Amino acid sequence: GENVEQHPSTLSVQEGDSAVIKCTYSDSASNYFPWYKQELGKRPQLIIDIRSNVGEKKDQRIAVTLNKTAKHFSLHITETQPEDSAVYFCAASSPKGTYKYIFGTGTRLKVLA
Amino acid sequence: EAGVTQFPSHSVIEKGQTVTLRCDPISGHDNLYWYRRVMGKEIKFLLHFVKESKQDESGMPNNRFLAERTGGTYSTLKVQPAELEDSGVYFCASSPVAATGELFFGEGSRLTVL
Repeated sequence: GENVEQHPSTLSVQEGDSAVIKCTYSDSASNYFPWYKQELGKRPQLIIDIRSNVGEKKDQRIAVTLNKTAKHFSLHITETQPEDSAVYFCAASSPKGTYKYIFGTGTRLKVLA
Repeated sequence: EAGVTQFPSHSVIEKGQTVTLRCDPISGHDNLYWYRRVMGKEIKFLLHFVKESKQDESGMPNNRFLAERTGGTYSTLKVQPAELEDSGVYFCASSPVAATGELFFGEGSRLTVL
């Protein structure tokens, strides 16, 4: 079935360093790729998304890249700060299900001060 | 504007008992989704309502799970009888009819089955 693989499962970085989280999807019809951040005890919140007609999108310290051929997409966080510590989920969605998401397993990011 | 609210935030029940989880979506959002995260695994799709109609329930694990959305407003997810493997965090999300892609999630209902 459709699935999304996400790596790494945990990631520790020093404050100020960059963090990269990678995802691979299986359904070639996927055309929307959101990233959600879930802080401890809080709701998952959208931080950035990308559609299949673009290869890269940036919002301040966060960027997402998409390689449709390889079915890879990645989240890049630069100049990490302690408040970036959270669990990050990637997801892929196709037009088939009105934004029914297939999520990755999550990455726990720890930014060490 | 109030976000998606879920109740209860945490429920502990014995195997074989019944639990009902409730979700109040953002007012005016026709799309309502239920997802579940079992510890350490992915957030998995359960089902999708458009107003009061089930659009897609392909993710429902088995017939012990029953979801309803009365009048197209709030939704309930009932598990009867609960089994140990039903433990996890149940998330509800909603989006407007003119969906742009973003789903607005609730904080989740943590279910522990002993």
